[in-house]
Amino acid sequence: NAGVMQNPRHLVRRRGQEARLRCSPMKGHSHVYWYRQLPEEGLKFMVYLQKENIIDESGMPKERFSAEFPKEGPSILRIQQVVRGDSAAYFCASSRRTGGLNTGELFFGEGSRLTVL
Amino acid sequence: AQKITQTQPGMFVQEKEAVTLDCTYDTSDPSYGLFWYKQPSSGEMIFLIYQGSYDQQNATEGRYSLNFQKARKSANLVISASQLGDSAMYFCAMSSGGSNYKLTFGKGTLLTVNP
Repeated sequence: NAGVMQNPRHLVRRRGQEARLRCSPMKGHSHVYWYRQLPEEGLKFMVYLQKENIIDESGMPKERFSAEFPKEGPSILRIQQVVRGDSAAYFCASSRRTGGLNTGELFFGEGSRLTVL
Repeated sequence: AQKITQTQPGMFVQEKEAVTLDCTYDTSDPSYGLFWYKQPSSGEMIFLIYQGSYDQQNATEGRYSLNFQKARKSANLVISASQLGDSAMYFCAMSSGGSNYKLTFGKGTLLTVNP
């Protein structure tokens, strides 16, 4: 499967725990985007990363949320001290280049569904 | 700011008929892209079709076509010959020149195909 890979698909955490979501982009893609989908809503942009750089984190909550895309390995979205309102589907997408969005070249993973008890 | 409006929370169509899902957008950027995604009950986001603002012809991908009316700022998705497997949520989204790496999504339309 050469698509965008996300894991885990489902994650259950208790309030106050940490959640780590992983995303491996498509082969040849070096741009990664994270989106959040709350129940019955469309996706909302969170953060855009390239290898070792955060390009735009304007959609990230100011506290408890962080993202990285190291030189080696997957991109990670980390949520510390989770609260019930963090329950959502978190989608990762990747593209070959920034301009990829001007050609439709953006592909999503299957999402990670976080449930906070 | 960019905005996508999908005014149909739900739509029904008979199998084998065509259906149009509405999408209007708002942006001040002259360069933008319009996307449609399908989200079945299993939850994944499936890319369907893309239209660039400078594309002269309407995009088509198999049974999907995008009715792009620039002056009206609309980008409706047309699904021909509906199949039961087309039942899903459909999201319209836009990227625009200023932040062309960022998609703005509508709230979606739930399509149900009846046998």
